[in-house]
Amino acid sequence: DVVMTQTPVSLPVSLGGQASISCRSSQSLVHSNGNTYLHWYLQKPGQSPQLLIYRVSNRFSGVPDRFSGSGSGTDFTLKISRVEPEDLGDYYCLQSTHFPRTFGGGTKLELK
Amino acid sequence: EVQLVESGGGLVQPGRSLKLSCAASGFTFSNYGMAWVCQAPTKGLEWVASISTGGGNTYYRDSVKGRFTISRDNAKNTLYLQMDSLRSEDTATYYCARHTTLFDYWGQGVMVTVSS
Repeated sequence: DVVMTQTPVSLPVSLGGQASISCRSSQSLVHSNGNTYLHWYLQKPGQSPQLLIYRVSNRFSGVPDRFSGSGSGTDFTLKISRVEPEDLGDYYCLQSTHFPRTFGGGTKLELK
Repeated sequence: EVQLVESGGGLVQPGRSLKLSCAASGFTFSNYGMAWVCQAPTKGLEWVASISTGGGNTYYRDSVKGRFTISRDNAKNTLYLQMDSLRSEDTATYYCARHTTLFDYWGQGVMVTVSS
């Protein structure tokens, strides 16, 4: 199975500040069709996960442009600028290039 | 609006069975693959099983192969997860999710607790 390693595990931030989360995979996530299937989710407290970014850098419907994704191969980053209270929660990366689909261990974004 | 509503969770003894359901609305259910994803208490997310649009292809994580069965009824817009020979390590919240090349919409989740 592809192992997804997220860092940091916990990320204290100030409102209005910036946050950066790393996700590294044990194998390249470039599919034979040329696409890279790396996605980002936010799980707010007491809620189900919601899709933020798909295929590395594409914002899902309704996701503000404060969220941006980048990376390639095995190394990916989610950046959040101007952090707002509704951004707090657990962030997960997901790879869907390989079976089984595997998630990162999560990063908790919390107030400093 | 896409809606996925799970039901059927609860407390069950080890070795017993439970069947989860997920009622879908707001999209053409038969056009999409579907999946179950679980989250043990205070833990991260794990994909459990997936099913193709017509139900002919199913996929499972190794730890549930032979014990869990994913199925769907496209006439009823409903996804199922039959969970047999349950173990304490199956205790988790189970989410139903629409499965394309990723999980784009999720239900609110249903809790399954396996304990004597």
